[in-house]
Amino acid sequence: QAVVTQEPSLTVSPGGTVTLTCGSSTGPVTGGHYTYWFQQKPGQAPTTLIYDTFNKHSWTPVRFSGSLLGGKAALTLSGAQPEDEADYYCLLFYGDRGIFGGGIRLTVL
Amino acid sequence: EVQLLESGGGLVQPGGSLRLSCAASGFTFTDYGMCWVRQAPGKGLQWVSAISGSGDRPWYADSVKGRFTISRDNSKNTVYLHLNSLRAEDTAMYYCGKGTHPTAIFPYDWGQGTMVTVSS
Repeated sequence: QAVVTQEPSLTVSPGGTVTLTCGSSTGPVTGGHYTYWFQQKPGQAPTTLIYDTFNKHSWTPVRFSGSLLGGKAALTLSGAQPEDEADYYCLLFYGDRGIFGGGIRLTVL
Repeated sequence: EVQLLESGGGLVQPGGSLRLSCAASGFTFTDYGMCWVRQAPGKGLQWVSAISGSGDRPWYADSVKGRFTISRDNSKNTVYLHLNSLRAEDTAMYYCGKGTHPTAIFPYDWGQGTMVTVSS
């Protein structure tokens, strides 16, 4: 079974820019993986930020964007806000199932 | 407004069974695939299962295949997850999700979850 990899943790300064990545053990992440990105804050259900690689949910702040970068899926946060401190998960499609990455703890400090 | 309300969680012994329900409202139910995602306490998210809008196509993670069954009742706008042969490692919060099209297997909208605890 494929393994989806994410950085364990990242720190960004308020107002700064950070890129979170999502890799696949089977090879480059492509549009065919239909990458989703989710945000989860402590004690809350996850919410969807990005679907199908770069499409935004209706409530996704404009400072978040999705892309493919260097063979990985990427979530870029431009102009980090204190409320962006959370866990972030990617989810990749593998034909007949989905596999989540282990999640990234993003600290805004 | 999309609303997804899960129910049916609880404490069950190893080897036992449970049926989770997710009541949906605020959208045309048959137009969207529905899915279940779980999260063990203090752990990450795990995609579990999904079902097409018509209900004729299910998908499962390897870890639950043969033990869990997903179904939907389009007359009641409800999706179910039948959990059988439960193990301690199935202990988790189970979230229901709505997709973006009839064969979508990933969540665009999420419910608040229902907790399943497998313990003797």
